[in-house]
Amino acid sequence: AQTVTQSQPEMSVQEAETVTLSCTYDTSESNYYLFWYKQPPSRQMILVIRQEAYKQQNATENRFSVNFQKAAKSFSLKISDSQLGDTAMYFCAFSGETSGSRLTFGEGTQLTVNP
Amino acid sequence: EAGVAQSPRYKIIEKRQSVAFWCNPISGHATLYWYQQILGQGPKLLIQFQNNGVVDDSQLPKDRFSAERLKGVDSTLKIQPAKLEDSAVYLCASSMSVGELFFGEGSRLTVL
Repeated sequence: AQTVTQSQPEMSVQEAETVTLSCTYDTSESNYYLFWYKQPPSRQMILVIRQEAYKQQNATENRFSVNFQKAAKSFSLKISDSQLGDTAMYFCAFSGETSGSRLTFGEGTQLTVNP
Repeated sequence: EAGVAQSPRYKIIEKRQSVAFWCNPISGHATLYWYQQILGQGPKLLIQFQNNGVVDDSQLPKDRFSAERLKGVDSTLKIQPAKLEDSAVYLCASSMSVGELFFGEGSRLTVL
């Protein structure tokens, strides 16, 4: 079974600065996907960024980028130029080849961006 | 494009009562999921449908929870009888491709 661990329950950052959220996972599968989802206070979760395990290049989406270390089973999210609208709960999630499209989520990191 | 619709948004019931939640996925999405999110925790999968068939319900407490997806579109999740520990947000999501889950706003259940 897969597990996803987020060791930072809460983090804060000043507006315009950079913050990194950590995630580690455990799996025996060789083909899988990793994701970061954002859940703002309205509670509708949205996809921030995804990474295919077979790709060595780290995914980037505008101000969001990941540091994917496959051997270490680590998948961190870097948010550059933080904005007040980035305040949300961030969940790391895993989807393995054998689990189809269903996701296993971590416990989440509450990020607060301060003005 | 319309998103995933869920209702009701909020529900308060007493323990041992029953409750039902409804979900309408994004048009054309064959896969539908129900997740339970207890306060302060990550979502946990209850059941996954592919069209109108169940793919995975291994984490669904079948003595009290039931779900159906008639005609492969809308879905209903029912809890009967409810327990205090069922207080949570019930999230519905749909997808077409791997990992691209689209979530509804959730139904918050409080069991007193």
